[in-house]
Amino acid sequence: DIQMTQSPSSLSASVGDRVTITCRASQDIGNSLAWVQQKPGKAPTSLIYDSSTLQSGAPSKFSGRGYGIEFTLTISSLQPEDFATYYCQQYNEYPVTFGGGTKVEF
Amino acid sequence: EVQLVESGGALVQPGGSLTLSCAASGFTFDKHYMDWVRQAPGKGLEWVARIRNRINTYNTEYAASVKGRFTISRDDSRNSVFLQMTSLKTEDTAVYFCARSGGTYYIDYWGQGTALTVSS
Repeated sequence: DIQMTQSPSSLSASVGDRVTITCRASQDIGNSLAWVQQKPGKAPTSLIYDSSTLQSGAPSKFSGRGYGIEFTLTISSLQPEDFATYYCQQYNEYPVTFGGGTKVEF
Repeated sequence: EVQLVESGGALVQPGGSLTLSCAASGFTFDKHYMDWVRQAPGKGLEWVARIRNRINTYNTEYAASVKGRFTISRDDSRNSVFLQMTSLKTEDTAVYFCARSGGTYYIDYWGQGTALTVSS
């Protein structure tokens, strides 16, 4: 199975900060990488797919990049509604696997 | 608007069985692959199963942790996907999310989830 490793596992930030989360795959997954946001007690919502394509309805402050093994999610200017846990997900091969999550908090 | 509404979550004893349902609306259901993803209390997301569409002969994929115990199925006439779970274990306790796969088979929409507790 492809292991997805996110770093950091948590981070403290302030409103207005630029935040970057990293996701590393245990083998080459091309651009088959998505980012998902989950707020406490809520269902996940999809932000980015194919490494850098913004999901319909997702704010443009979210951006993704990367190919192969290393990927990043950047939030350009953190707002109160962005405090959440973020997961990366690879869908290059089965089983689909998620990273362990990065909790963005104050 | 894409909507996915899960139902069927319950408290079940170890070794028991249960079937979860997901009713979909707001999109052409029979064109999409569908998934189940779960989240144990306080833990991260774990993909459980996927069922392809009719063109791809409804083929299925499973996580190793559920293979042989869980069965994903769908009824395109009812815009619904199901997860039949047998031989349930305490470690199957989780919120189960129904999810839709998008164009390149990433998950693009999620339901609100239904909770399964396996306990004696």
